[in-house]
Amino acid sequence: DTAVSQTPKYLVTQMGNDKSIKCEQNLGHDTMYWYKQDSKKFLKIMFSYNNKELIINETVPNRFSPKSPDKAHLNLHINSLELGDSAVYFCASSQSESTDTQYFGPGTRLTVL
Amino acid sequence: DQQVKQNSPSLSVQEGRISILNCDYTNSMFDYFLWYKKYPAEGPTFLISISSIKDKNEDGRFTVFLNKSAKHLSLHIVPSQPGDSAVYFCAASFDQTGANNLFFGTGTRLTVIP
Repeated sequence: DTAVSQTPKYLVTQMGNDKSIKCEQNLGHDTMYWYKQDSKKFLKIMFSYNNKELIINETVPNRFSPKSPDKAHLNLHINSLELGDSAVYFCASSQSESTDTQYFGPGTRLTVL
Repeated sequence: DQQVKQNSPSLSVQEGRISILNCDYTNSMFDYFLWYKKYPAEGPTFLISISSIKDKNEDGRFTVFLNKSAKHLSLHIVPSQPGDSAVYFCAASFDQTGANNLFFGTGTRLTVIP
């Protein structure tokens, strides 16, 4: 039973397209995150939601729009995809925003051509 | 089905002493392992890695040990400093090319007491 799942796992698309990545957690956690891994070295936090409310919104282009229909889901929609958006995107969840333990999803590898 | 596990959510160590953070994995196909350090409201930052052909990799105060037969790795920090206080995540991959995604553990909060 997967704790944090992401779909799709791989996404290849053309520049200029709009795409969504979905994330679901079945742990009953209150807080969910999106990270972008540009390289092996660093995962940059993009957004954090607590009980469907946005609590962290780092400096990302407004082409990226998170949506949390309920606290078990945090989807990432990206408009007008650019080459530089190619990366692995990780979703994660934690019990609360003050909890250190985070469960990561398997990642979505986005390739923009 | 957590394939990478960090069973200790927290660890407290006196400044100057050794910190040992542990990580276990279940998939014997993992070939490359990494440790990340995370501060609040930031993303994890890469710290040190090890390939499965080695059993030890050292970088300054940080040493990672890999025991493939036990499917266990550990991160040693000697000597521990207050600035090391953070959450540490271990991660595993099927190779180090970057073509395969990472599988993360759930993190261990290290507190170094001055």
